[in-house]
Amino acid sequence: AQTVTQSQPEMSVQEAETVTLSCTYDTSENNYYLFWYKQPPSRQMILVIRQEAYKQQNATENRFSVNFQKAAKSFSLKISDSQLGDTAMYFCAFEGYGGSQGNLIFGKGTKLSVKP
Amino acid sequence: SQTIHQWPATLVQPVGSPLSLECTVEGTSNPNLYWYRQAAGRGLQLLFYSVGIGQISSEVPQNLSASRPQDRQFILSSKKLLLSDSGFYLCAWSSGGWVYGYTFGSGTRLTVV
Repeated sequence: AQTVTQSQPEMSVQEAETVTLSCTYDTSENNYYLFWYKQPPSRQMILVIRQEAYKQQNATENRFSVNFQKAAKSFSLKISDSQLGDTAMYFCAFEGYGGSQGNLIFGKGTKLSVKP
Repeated sequence: SQTIHQWPATLVQPVGSPLSLECTVEGTSNPNLYWYRQAAGRGLQLLFYSVGIGQISSEVPQNLSASRPQDRQFILSSKKLLLSDSGFYLCAWSSGGWVYGYTFGSGTRLTVV
């Protein structure tokens, strides 16, 4: 069974600095998708960035980028120029290519606090 | 543009009472619809998904059921709530899975007392 592990329950960063959130996963599949979701205090889940496993190039969305290491099964999220609005729970998620639709496997999350 | 509505935002129910949570999507047709539950300190767990009216797939056996009476309406129900049903429930929709992404509603906080 696939598992997703986020080893950092909480992190903090100063505004304007860079922070990296870790995520590792375990799967025997070769094709899959990886996501980072953000859940602010409003509790709505917001997609931050996604990566297709067959693409070697790391995904980037403005201040958010990932370091995808397929062999190591690692998928870390880097947030540059951190802003107060980045304060939220961040979840790493995995979806197998051949699995049930929408069956995202989530990690337990990392609580990120951006301090002024 | 597409929007997803979920209500109520907060619900407190006694053990043994019934449950009905509703989710509707606007601005699209034939969406894939999903119900997730988030227990305290955990990520989301997929409960049900539907690819069409009357078509429901369950991922986890539990005290809950889902129905899709209309194309853009997805309902989560229970006949008798258990304490363990407490949690945060999120509805989501997609045009077709990963390729189009998943959009989540604002969630319902259910507390069973």
